[in-house]
Amino acid sequence: DSGVTQTPKHLITATGQRVTLRCSPRSGDLSVYWYQQSLDQGLQFLIHYYNGEERAKGNILERFSAQQFPDLHSELNLSSLELGDSALYFCASSVGRQGLGGYTFGSGTRLTVV
Amino acid sequence: GENVEQHPSTLSVQEGDSAVIKCTYSDSASNYFPWYKQELGKRPQLIIDIRSNVGEKKDQRIAVTLNKTAKHFSLHITETQPEDSAVYFCADRTDTGRRALTFGSGTRLQVQP
Repeated sequence: DSGVTQTPKHLITATGQRVTLRCSPRSGDLSVYWYQQSLDQGLQFLIHYYNGEERAKGNILERFSAQQFPDLHSELNLSSLELGDSALYFCASSVGRQGLGGYTFGSGTRLTVV
Repeated sequence: GENVEQHPSTLSVQEGDSAVIKCTYSDSASNYFPWYKQELGKRPQLIIDIRSNVGEKKDQRIAVTLNKTAKHFSLHITETQPEDSAVYFCADRTDTGRRALTFGSGTRLQVQP
């Protein structure tokens, strides 16, 4: 157990639907990062939050949004889902704003859009 | 950084041999270079990292070297074992721009017993 909790572990939904993925960072970590990993692909950065504030955006679609709450958990909202959104979504946390010292990843949420 | 290229995409070695994976980065402001191991169906796990003010770092059978002039860094695994079989990702982080880790495309390492 890495200390980073992601729910749900698996999600199957239909095209056009909206889902919410949840992440609780490791105790003491203020930064949360979201990454998308498609089949046999690398890790694509989506968005970074630090202590409730958005810090950076990567290749995140306009149909996707995220937020980090006062208790530091984060949610990634994916709407108008398409088949190509099927992927493994990881969140990771780190202590500081800069991420030096590495990220701790959660176990991921596997999203299947049918 | 903006772009990290990783080679090779697949690597097969015999148990006991060494394995080397190389990454090249483009942003001269990159200052942190971690390596992650991802076993099948599992989360990426940090195995070693290096900062830009250090040229080499070792941890038992694994080592990372950094050449800032050439903008490349490498992962070295010695005395490979079957349990080293996994996908390895390099990454970099820059002090400018988005400041989040940019990952390479991954190397699938297969250690043949």
